[in-house]
Amino acid sequence: ETGVTQSPTHLIKTRGQQVTLRCSSQSGHNTVSWYQQALGQGPQFIFQYYREEENGRGNFPPRFSGLQFPNYSSELNVNALELDDSALYLCASSPRIPGANVLTFGAGSRLTVL
Amino acid sequence: GQQLNQSPQSMFIQEGEDVSMNCTSSSIFNTWLWYKQDPGEGPVLLIALYKAGELTSNGRLTAQFGITRKDSFLNISASIPSDVGIYFCAGHGGGADGLTFGKGTHLIIQP
Repeated sequence: ETGVTQSPTHLIKTRGQQVTLRCSSQSGHNTVSWYQQALGQGPQFIFQYYREEENGRGNFPPRFSGLQFPNYSSELNVNALELDDSALYLCASSPRIPGANVLTFGAGSRLTVL
Repeated sequence: GQQLNQSPQSMFIQEGEDVSMNCTSSSIFNTWLWYKQDPGEGPVLLIALYKAGELTSNGRLTAQFGITRKDSFLNISASIPSDVGIYFCAGHGGGADGLTFGKGTHLIIQP
């Protein structure tokens, strides 16, 4: 089975720009979540998508938004980029069954905002 | 955002030594998880714990879900060079909550 794949792996943007990051979930997984990992920190929960709708969100402003598609792939969009948005963005997928809080992570997209 | 209290922050040990790290929270969790992250990679699940008091092993790794549901520990026995990396604890409260992670324990093994 294929794991979680993310693209692009690295990208550089400037303040005020917008960015879209993409994620393909693991085969058989229908729930996708996104995490932000700043340098030297643990991942921070941004939001989760199930059945193409956001059904859980962490402490992130509305300029962080997402989409989930019928094939369970997902996008993370960040508008009006700020310097502090520089981080590794991790996508994770999981099956939607009881006790399945076990996430499979992708390798991440490293965003640098200048 | 909230992060769990994970300690130690880093460990320098000799190959063959046992390792112990722990994680505490001010909140109760229904699930505790331990992940390992290598450079340039995403976190990889090591052990998942679902019940208070549960003790679970995965090879040389052993983890426990604290009976208060506010803490967990991970032990690694007879460390080997490939154990090098950053270990994260994570808790899940339930429902559509995301995982809450610790800041990580950086394990360095000296030959």
